[in-house]
Amino acid sequence: AQSVAQPEDQVNVAEGNPLTVKCTYSVSGNPYLFWYVQYPNRGLQFLLKYITGDNLVKGSYGFEAEFNKSQTSFHLKKPSALVSDSALYFCAVRDGKSSGDKLTFGTGTRLAVRP
Amino acid sequence: GAVVSQHPSRVICKSGTSVKIECRSLDFQATTMFWYRQFPKKSLMLMATSNEGSKATYEQGVEKDKFLINHASLTLSTLTVTSAHPEDSSFYICSARLPGTPNEQFFGPGTRLTVL
Repeated sequence: AQSVAQPEDQVNVAEGNPLTVKCTYSVSGNPYLFWYVQYPNRGLQFLLKYITGDNLVKGSYGFEAEFNKSQTSFHLKKPSALVSDSALYFCAVRDGKSSGDKLTFGTGTRLAVRP
Repeated sequence: GAVVSQHPSRVICKSGTSVKIECRSLDFQATTMFWYRQFPKKSLMLMATSNEGSKATYEQGVEKDKFLINHASLTLSTLTVTSAHPEDSSFYICSARLPGTPNEQFFGPGTRLTVL
């Protein structure tokens, strides 16, 4: 079984400050990890993914995430937050050992960036 | 590239009626599409995997007779909520897998269903 935990319902940060949105996962095989962002009443937009290779992954809109195998984490980061980054962020995992495509999503973290 | 659309974006219906939601891959062919349901302030719950030309695979607890899925072509999957009830009100999101990229799903903009 695969699972994802996003321990924070909401993260508040001031514009210009760095932000971190936390994610931990559990899979039996190698993890394929994803971050998506959702704006109100919209579908999900892909931000970045880790499949293999460099632990630090760079994605869209200046976001990056670091895969940490020992801590089973894949936290999303950005050096300088923008008000327009305010949205709902989802971490997702797929078990690389599985032949299916099933993604398991975390419960989401709402990011609020204040001016 | 890799754009997925959904229609309608919003639908309001009376209890007992059926509602069809379309999911289209606009610039690629998708042998596999996925249907998710999202409750307010909750995560996405995978309802079923839609395979072109074959029966959909439903997740545990999802009624296949209630949520009919048809993947009739390589660019279109439909979800029909039959005999809708107020508890079926939700945000339904589809995604499509880009062929040759088993690790990427592209999501539609979602459909807000309200059952009165």
